[in-house]
Amino acid sequence: DGGITQSPKYLFRKEGQNVTLSCEQNLNHDAMYWYRQDPGQGLRLIYYSQIVNDFQKGDIAEGYSVSREKKESFPLTVTSAQKNPTAFYLCASSIGLAGGMYEQYFGPGTRLTVT
Amino acid sequence: SQELEQSPQSLIVQEGKNLTINCTSSKTLYGLYWYKQKYGEGLIFLMMLQKGGEEKSHEKITAKLDEKKQQSSLHITASQPSHAGIYLCGAARTGNQFYFGTGTSLTVIP
Repeated sequence: DGGITQSPKYLFRKEGQNVTLSCEQNLNHDAMYWYRQDPGQGLRLIYYSQIVNDFQKGDIAEGYSVSREKKESFPLTVTSAQKNPTAFYLCASSIGLAGGMYEQYFGPGTRLTVT
Repeated sequence: SQELEQSPQSLIVQEGKNLTINCTSSKTLYGLYWYKQKYGEGLIFLMMLQKGGEEKSHEKITAKLDEKKQQSSLHITASQPSHAGIYLCGAARTGNQFYFGTGTSLTVIP
């Protein structure tokens, strides 16, 4: 089955620690995205990548970092610089970038709680 | 302020009733997407609209993009408990980015 996997489903960390969220896709999609979802605010774009070894900042990139070493993988690191990291994180992929009118396919999400 | 405003924010309907969710943009839309999300899960793609006046249907869900391409509506006919969830509209922005509305939470009472 083709799809997007995110792991783990729930993640707990102490304040001040960096944490990396996994996102893998086997859809052979070129573009991948990371979003953050908070109650009442919809989804906000953190980073996106069009091709391997290239990625761009979204609306709320501060305190986050990404890498795209393989087409299938787009891990997100939430650093200690992120002031309010507790949220639901969603990874998505599409054949091409959204501006080209391609729908995005979403993973199941990771709920991160930082205390 | 949000670039995409959805209304209502939440909706509670009796099973079998029809309902409409609206998505309004402050800018011309070059493509409008509708997604559904179950609480705590990922988003499921429903439909994409590109042309002003375009209308698409999937089972009992119909979406329209108005002529001026600044508003879209999602209409559910004869709602069922399986329709419950959060409905989000999304749009492509110049520069290849994508943004979403705040979502509409739908509850269907059996």
